[in-house]
Amino acid sequence: AQSVAQPEDQVNVAEGNPLTVKCTYSVSGNPYLFWYVQYPNRGLQFLLKYITGDNLVKGSYGFEAEFNKSQTSFHLKKPSALVSDSALYFCARGLMDSSYTLDFGSGTRLLVRP
Amino acid sequence: DAGITQSPRHKVTETGTPVTLRCHQTENHRYMYWYRQDPGHGLRLIHYSYGVKDTDKGEVSDGYSVSRSKTEDFLLTLESATSSQTSVYFCAISWGAGGQETQYFGPGTRLLVL
Repeated sequence: AQSVAQPEDQVNVAEGNPLTVKCTYSVSGNPYLFWYVQYPNRGLQFLLKYITGDNLVKGSYGFEAEFNKSQTSFHLKKPSALVSDSALYFCARGLMDSSYTLDFGSGTRLLVRP
Repeated sequence: DAGITQSPRHKVTETGTPVTLRCHQTENHRYMYWYRQDPGHGLRLIHYSYGVKDTDKGEVSDGYSVSRSKTEDFLLTLESATSSQTSVYFCAISWGAGGQETQYFGPGTRLLVL
């Protein structure tokens, strides 16, 4: 079973509106959770991660994510979307019992319309 | 792209030919990884390295081999390319082991096997 799920293939939002990109994970101990963004023809860029502590994590470019243990979710959010936020977003989980891999979700394409 | 270069950036080859992709880092990270990215699958780990001459298999290692003779270089070889290996290949690096370590990605190599 996939350990990380991104239920939406695409999210559409108008510029200036808040955005949410969803991520849920399967339960296996305490997870380490990451968000990456990929612009066209580029590699993945690290946005933020949750290791422990405050459930609200702030990252690059005004993005933040909320870790919710009871719902096993780690949704990415931004209060006001920009057209330049349009990209492919990946959620990933690092495992406490695996030193060498991240399990990635299948990705969500964010389209911010002017 | 975090001091990581990949070469070539684009490659077209024929079925049955060997292909070698190179990842070069300038950050002196100990850990290096090769992933492939395919639509609907996110990124999947092919092989990783935890030091010079120290490598191990990932989730989708069949048909691939790797070598690491220097800290800065990690080579991925497709021993006999097949059309199913048409993909985008990403190299990544991290400072340490453990699921909490952030991985940083190179720009990718787009490979087409005809």
